[in-house]
Amino acid sequence: GAVVSQHPSWVICKSGTSVKIECRSLDFQATTMFWYRQFPKQSLMLMATSNEGSKATYEQGVEKDKFLINHASLTLSTLTVTSAHPEDSSFYICSASTGARETQYFGPGTRLLVL
Amino acid sequence: QQQVKQSPQSLIVQKGGISIINCAYENTAFDYFPWYQQFPGKGPALLIAIRPDVSEKKEGRFTISFNKSAKQFSLHIMDSQPGDSATYFCAATSSGNTPLVFGKGTRLSVIA
Repeated sequence: GAVVSQHPSWVICKSGTSVKIECRSLDFQATTMFWYRQFPKQSLMLMATSNEGSKATYEQGVEKDKFLINHASLTLSTLTVTSAHPEDSSFYICSASTGARETQYFGPGTRLLVL
Repeated sequence: QQQVKQSPQSLIVQKGGISIINCAYENTAFDYFPWYQQFPGKGPALLIAIRPDVSEKKEGRFTISFNKSAKQFSLHIMDSQPGDSATYFCAATSSGNTPLVFGKGTRLSVIA
């Protein structure tokens, strides 16, 4: 099956620093990647949609200057949380789609804790 | 975003029993309905999915029932096992690379 990896799996950082999270599709080319955040015991909230080679489309209420998304290749998308604050602490999950079908395959998630 | 309403919020089932989770949607443009299983601290894993051209799809112990006229679909887990204890999310999307719309999730506990 399609495998999506994320790195790192967890990260602790100080308030004010930036953190980069990588999302890779390991055995398929992902024309589209999605970034979600999930708070404890809640559903996934879509943050942005990222298409290879173009600018990401952000959901309403998501600050594009704070959550920088880059989708430079068909197998890699990155999410950078800039000037992180404690309220950014969350579980960040990416998913990838080949584009040919609607099936999205999710990564294992990255837990971010901002102190 | 169009909503997908999921119920119940939590469910306790005895081992060997049937777990049933229901979802309802509003957007008639939706034509792909996956179910995801998520264990604590892990990303969601695709469990089973259905398209509107069939009313039922079965994969092992997992079955999706789909009612297009009622705009409802449900997940049935037969012979539920403690290892099935997880949070289940229904979702929906329309054709193309459009985002999934998720239900709020159902926390399933299967007790021995």
